[in-house]
Amino acid sequence: SQTIHQWPATLVQPVGSPLSLECTVEGTSNPNLYWYRQAAGRGLQLLFYSVGIGQISSEVPQNLSASRPQDRQFILSSKKLLLSDSGFYLCAWSGGGSQPQHFGDGTRLSIL
Amino acid sequence: GQQVMQIPQYQHVQEGEDFTTYCNSSTTLSNIQWYKQRPGGHPVFLIQLVKSGEVKKQKRLTFQFGEAKKNSSLHITATQTTDVGTYFCAGLGGNYQLIWGAGTKLIIKP
Repeated sequence: SQTIHQWPATLVQPVGSPLSLECTVEGTSNPNLYWYRQAAGRGLQLLFYSVGIGQISSEVPQNLSASRPQDRQFILSSKKLLLSDSGFYLCAWSGGGSQPQHFGDGTRLSIL
Repeated sequence: GQQVMQIPQYQHVQEGEDFTTYCNSSTTLSNIQWYKQRPGGHPVFLIQLVKSGEVKKQKRLTFQFGEAKKNSSLHITATQTTDVGTYFCAGLGGNYQLIWGAGTKLIIKP
């Protein structure tokens, strides 16, 4: 069966520090991968999605970037975090087309 | 761009009362998916509706997709404490990207 791993579960970072969040999927090949951000009590904001290695589409311009160095690995990065980057970051995968998305447990990021 | 409006934002109910959330799209959707997010958790896929006018049931949950494939609803009969959470609809647009509603938070009154 397919599983998705996302870490760390929580992270506290100072303003201006770098960020690297990693997500890996097991049990499937060539998944579509997604990064979302969710502010407290709010909906899901799609940040990036990828349909293949090295292919990244950005939905919202900001100081975050994403990379997909391997088929089942998706990384969210920032060189310098802002206070507004705080939130709940969720990675998800799908089989593509109309197939549903399956989410990781998420990372709660607090910026001090 | 394509949008999916979901209402209400919150619904407070007594345990045992019914709950309904509605989604409306500005354009025709290929399908609509429903997800549940428990407090502190991540969204979990519940169901997908594809056909015009489709109705699906999962125990006390009834999902409907409108005839024009622009609206959908989720109705929970006789809510229980285990139903607490936020329910999201997500419509599949023309580019195979999900367009998410803002979610409806189900709160059970103490």
